[in-house]
Amino acid sequence: AQTVTQSQPEMSVQEAETVTLSCTYDTSESNYYLFWYKQPPSRQMILVIRQEAYKQQNATENRFSVNFQKAAKSFSLKISDSQLGDTAMYFCAFMKPLTGANSKLTFGKGITLSVRP
Amino acid sequence: NAGVTQTPKFQVLKTGQSMTLQCAQDMNHEYMSWYRQDPGMGLRLIHYSVGAGITDQGEVPNGYNVSRSTTEDFPLRLLSAAPSQTSVYFCASSYAAVQETQYFGPGTRLLVL
Repeated sequence: AQTVTQSQPEMSVQEAETVTLSCTYDTSESNYYLFWYKQPPSRQMILVIRQEAYKQQNATENRFSVNFQKAAKSFSLKISDSQLGDTAMYFCAFMKPLTGANSKLTFGKGITLSVRP
Repeated sequence: NAGVTQTPKFQVLKTGQSMTLQCAQDMNHEYMSWYRQDPGMGLRLIHYSVGAGITDQGEVPNGYNVSRSTTEDFPLRLLSAAPSQTSVYFCASSYAAVQETQYFGPGTRLLVL
């Protein structure tokens, strides 16, 4: 079974600075997908960024980028130029490719990020 | 498109009562799923469906039933509510299960007394 670990429960960053959120995972699969989701106080789950394991290039999405280390099974999220609206809970998630009808997201426990003005 | 909608937003139940959490999507997505979110636990999969007429159990299915009679709707039924089912419930959908980004609804907060 896959597991996703987010070992930092909380982080804080000054507005306009850069912060990195850590995530590690455990799997025996060679092909899979990794995600970062953001959950603001509204509780809506919002996709931040996605990475396919077969791609060596790290995914980027505007101010958000990942550092994907497949051998180390590490998938960290870097947020540049932090904004107050980035204050939220962030979840790392893993998905293995569909086999039969058994594909699902496995989530980490999340990290609460606070951006200070 | 409204995306993924969930009703109600908040519900209080007494132990033993039954209720249905509604989920609908208007994106013609085949794959739909239900998660529950508890403090310190992240999100856990309850049930999922890969298409109309097809459902399967996730990680924590006990106490919940689902059906998928149409592509658009995927209701979650609590047969006899228990305090352990107090949680926030999220419905999600995607075009297909494989490597697809899942779109989440706004969530339903359930309190069982």
